[in-house]
Amino acid sequence: GQNIDQPTEMTATEGAIVQINCTYQTSGFNGLFWYQQHAGEAPTFLSYNVLDGLEEKGRFSSFLSRSKGYSYLLLKELQMKDSASYLCAVKDSNYQLIWGAGTKLIIKP
Amino acid sequence: DGGITQSPKYLFRKEGQNVTLSCEQNLNHDAMYWYRQDPGQGLRLIYYSQIVNDFQKGDIAEGYSVSREKKESFPLTVTSAQKNPTAFYLCATPKREGEVGEQFFGPGTRLTVL
Repeated sequence: GQNIDQPTEMTATEGAIVQINCTYQTSGFNGLFWYQQHAGEAPTFLSYNVLDGLEEKGRFSSFLSRSKGYSYLLLKELQMKDSASYLCAVKDSNYQLIWGAGTKLIIKP
Repeated sequence: DGGITQSPKYLFRKEGQNVTLSCEQNLNHDAMYWYRQDPGQGLRLIYYSQIVNDFQKGDIAEGYSVSREKKESFPLTVTSAQKNPTAFYLCATPKREGEVGEQFFGPGTRLTVL
């Protein structure tokens, strides 16, 4: 079966750095996506990786290792507004998105 | 501004009643999707449509129905056959036609069955 694993919840301190991991087992791979979702709101797109390596976008970076079936989202200089759930999704061989359950990130002052 | 809208934001229904959730987009996109989100679970695909007058079942279509009579509209009906309808429902369309991954989502409808 297809499976995406993320930690359920993480806590970090304002101004610090946090890394949210995602491991996947899917039938084929055509890209990995990270979304941010604030409580009660819709997800919004953060990043896309299809090749191995690091993609940097401001305070957020995303890394992919296809051989290990692994990705992480790195958030730097954490702000209170970064408190949200972070969803990992993989596009499989049928070009359908498979979603992880999300990681709830709690930022403490 | 182009976008995707859903209404209502909150919806309550009595057990045994059908209810229709609205989804409208003015992006002129062909593809539209309906997802369901439950606490502690990933988004699950209910139905999707790649073109007007055509739609396909997703992973959890049982108890739901859709129509796609107009390009801009993709309403979802939650029928009385859906055993656990209480959930957050999200409608989406790809940012770029033909590409599934990066999607615009509507604000969502939270359905509660009383």
